[in-house]
Amino acid sequence: GAGVSQSPRYKVAKRGQDVALRCDPISGHVSLFWYQQALGQGPEFLTYFQNEAQLDKSGLPSDRFFAERPEGSVSTLKIQRTQQEDSAVYLCASSLSTGGLPYEQYFGPGTRLTVT
Amino acid sequence: QQQVKQSPQSLIVQKGGISIINCAYENTAFDYFPWYQQFPGKGPALLIAIRPDVSEKKEGRFTISFNKSAKQFSLHIMDSQPGDSATYFCAASITPGANSKLTFGKGITLSVRP
Repeated sequence: GAGVSQSPRYKVAKRGQDVALRCDPISGHVSLFWYQQALGQGPEFLTYFQNEAQLDKSGLPSDRFFAERPEGSVSTLKIQRTQQEDSAVYLCASSLSTGGLPYEQYFGPGTRLTVT
Repeated sequence: QQQVKQSPQSLIVQKGGISIINCAYENTAFDYFPWYQQFPGKGPALLIAIRPDVSEKKEGRFTISFNKSAKQFSLHIMDSQPGDSATYFCAASITPGANSKLTFGKGITLSVRP
């Protein structure tokens, strides 16, 4: 079966440009997470969706970051007016869980964003 | 304040040896502790996970040991192989709850020499 897919795999943006990163979760997975992974660091939580509802956006670093999941499936992470400090790998993960015992989070391969 | 700390920062082990990676956490509300393996250009993949009601869990060559009073847990890789060379992350989350977001350590790079 297909896992979590992300596109594009690589993105180079000039400072000030807007970018959109896409995540296709595993079919039927209710929970969707976005993480940011800086070079040589562990992933850091950005935001969480349960179906189409964004229940936690406490990890978004600034109001330039925006995420949506309008139909409860595909999600898009948008970064406006990109800055050099936004350069990182953006990981998407999905999970079957809606609460109670945590089911495994399945990660996509990530999108490597480089801001020049 | 880093909530999940890993040690050592890097590790070199001979083929067939035991790799031991340690993790310490701050938040006593954490109650789910997974280890993830990541290869270059790939996303993290779950290796093994443990909850505080057990002190040890084994799956194949991988074992988690958990010490609740010390707020520490460790990953042991038995009979380490060159294919185990990767970056390993410990993580923690709070459950139950719909949002079981993971808090990761910084990761350690394991190199297994043939």
